[in-house]
Amino acid sequence: QVSLVQSGAELKKPGASVRVSCKASGYTFSNYGVAWVRQAPGQGLEWMGFISAYSGATEFAQKFQGRLTMTTDSSTGAAYMELRNLRSDDTALYYCARRTTFLGENLDYWGQGTLVTVSS
Amino acid sequence: DIQMTQSPSSLSASVGDRVTITCRASENIKKYLNWYQQKLGKAPNLLIYGASSLQTGVPSRFSASGSGTDFTLTISGLQPEDFATYYCQQSYTIPTFGQGTRLEIK
Repeated sequence: QVSLVQSGAELKKPGASVRVSCKASGYTFSNYGVAWVRQAPGQGLEWMGFISAYSGATEFAQKFQGRLTMTTDSSTGAAYMELRNLRSDDTALYYCARRTTFLGENLDYWGQGTLVTVSS
Repeated sequence: DIQMTQSPSSLSASVGDRVTITCRASENIKKYLNWYQQKLGKAPNLLIYGASSLQTGVPSRFSASGSGTDFTLTISGLQPEDFATYYCQQSYTIPTFGQGTRLEIK
């Protein structure tokens, strides 16, 4: 069965960076992309970007350009999201999701979420 | 960015009711529209893709329609497990989500 397991909660200071991992299993990793979506406390969903596990191509939402990196490791079936220069409003639950592209982008399996807290 | 606006923002209903949630796009997104359900403390779950296609395993009481800028999600015969927050998402361009509709028990 398809599963996405994310790394544990992180506490970071403003200006620091965070790297969240997402370990996929139960499917051929390179056949799909991985998208990252975040959710601030009590707020809605915010799409951050995605990476193709096949080509490594990425696409990011405008607001994260310049401080967001996404990578994959096909040998382990893992995806990584790194956000730099953290601010307090980056405090959120960060989700990875398997991305398919049938009739547009669909996020059909999700990780459990990783809480990132940014506080001095 | 394409803005997605859901209405209502919250909704109270009873078990067995039929409810409809609307999602409006700020420009034409053809049929590149998905619906997700999120229960408290859980990750979102894909319900509908391509505006009207039911994701595998999703009960048939969920249905959706629309194209262009106006879309609807309908739940016919609400069940206790359906009380959750629902989000639409467009993927015609850089994906964006609606602000969510919280469905509560009356």
